[in-house]
Amino acid sequence: SQKIEQNSEALNIQEGKTATLTCNYTNYSPAYLQWYRQDPGRGPVFLLLIRENEKEKRKERLKVTFDTTLKQSLFHITASQPADSATYLCALFKYGGSQGNLIFGKGTKLSVKP
Amino acid sequence: GAGVSQSPRYKVAKRGQDVALRCDPISGHVSLFWYQQALGQGPEFLTYFQNEAQLDKSGLPSDRFFAERPEGSVSTLKIQRTQQEDSAVYLCASSSHIDSPLHFGNGTRLTVT
Repeated sequence: SQKIEQNSEALNIQEGKTATLTCNYTNYSPAYLQWYRQDPGRGPVFLLLIRENEKEKRKERLKVTFDTTLKQSLFHITASQPADSATYLCALFKYGGSQGNLIFGKGTKLSVKP
Repeated sequence: GAGVSQSPRYKVAKRGQDVALRCDPISGHVSLFWYQQALGQGPEFLTYFQNEAQLDKSGLPSDRFFAERPEGSVSTLKIQRTQQEDSAVYLCASSSHIDSPLHFGNGTRLTVT
């Protein structure tokens, strides 16, 4: 079955630095990857989607890369701010896959210190 | 409404009680999902509807769990004879198409004592 690993449970960085979060997967290649942000006591909020034929996607201070050879996606937040502190989830989508086609990782909790 | 609404926000049940959790998706969204999220974990898939049809219920942990969406809008997740291991946050999400990003509600935190 598909397995998703997000590099670490927690990542602590200094304000202004770039945060890099990793999402690795095994088995089949997804049609696309999604990244979500989740704050305590709230539901996940969609951030970015990258398709299997795309190498990179950007949105303001966010950048996502997708390497189907390495079976890995990297999520970058540049010029990080304390307000970026949250848990970030990656999710893999495959047409005709199980679990409603979308499987989530466990998430990485990012803390940005002032 | 503007987003996905879930009620109640918190629910405390004694072991053995039945509970019903409600989800109001974004108007017009065809797809509706239920997820279970334990503390420190990612959302785990429970079941998926397309309109009123339940297309995938492979994630429901046992036959004590039942979901419905009779008119293709509001959905209810019912848990019968609750047990302590059912304690978790139950998230509902909707999307306009099967491959569109999900819009999540803020969940119902269920505590079984």
